[in-house]
Amino acid sequence: DTAVSQTPKYLVTQMGNDKSIKCEQNLGHDTMYWYKQDSKKFLKIMFSYNNKELIINETVPNRFSPKSPDKAHLNLHINSLELGDSAVYFCASSPWGASTDTQYFGPGTRLTVL
Amino acid sequence: QQPVQSPQAVILREGEDAVINCSSSKALYSVHWYRQKHGEAPIFLMILLKGGEQKGHDKISASFNEKKQQSSLYLTASQLSYSGTYFCGTEPSSSNTGKLIFGQGTTLQVKP
Repeated sequence: DTAVSQTPKYLVTQMGNDKSIKCEQNLGHDTMYWYKQDSKKFLKIMFSYNNKELIINETVPNRFSPKSPDKAHLNLHINSLELGDSAVYFCASSPWGASTDTQYFGPGTRLTVL
Repeated sequence: QQPVQSPQAVILREGEDAVINCSSSKALYSVHWYRQKHGEAPIFLMILLKGGEQKGHDKISASFNEKKQQSSLYLTASQLSYSGTYFCGTEPSSSNTGKLIFGQGTTLQVKP
């Protein structure tokens, strides 16, 4: 009965590798988000999709590419990983992507780049 | 522009009260409050919309002062379970995309 799920929970990889994180929500929401939380706990939005359409695209290196095959899934692919990419990545979803929406967060994926 | 939260950290004894403030330099449409425990996802607490409303449930409430572009979270008679990091997320008036800009967080520790 998990609402927003992410895989994997932990990801340890070498610099220069390419990796993907997957997110799925079973809440029937139209909007999904990717956030990055750094070691100082700063939580920053990266992207959002509404029904497979890219809505928010923050200033993020183009090594990061989100993909939404359908409105229940939002994946994040990262090319040529760098040390500074180490962080916890949270996926979230909300009903419509409106200001009044509650955003429901997934459990997070802790990415460590060595 | 990232909102500024104060204080950065607070330590309480069970039963004591706390106030966490969130200030923005931009006109806001909404303020969202979340609590995050160590190693877990942020959990939604409440949303406040412009209009200066006040909300609350149980012993946690919040207010939004539109003139000052400031929101305050009030924790009354704190319990051990209140420990965690509290974040405010703000959305500018012009947005309506669900784009939240989060503050740096306030760490709350409640001791027995």
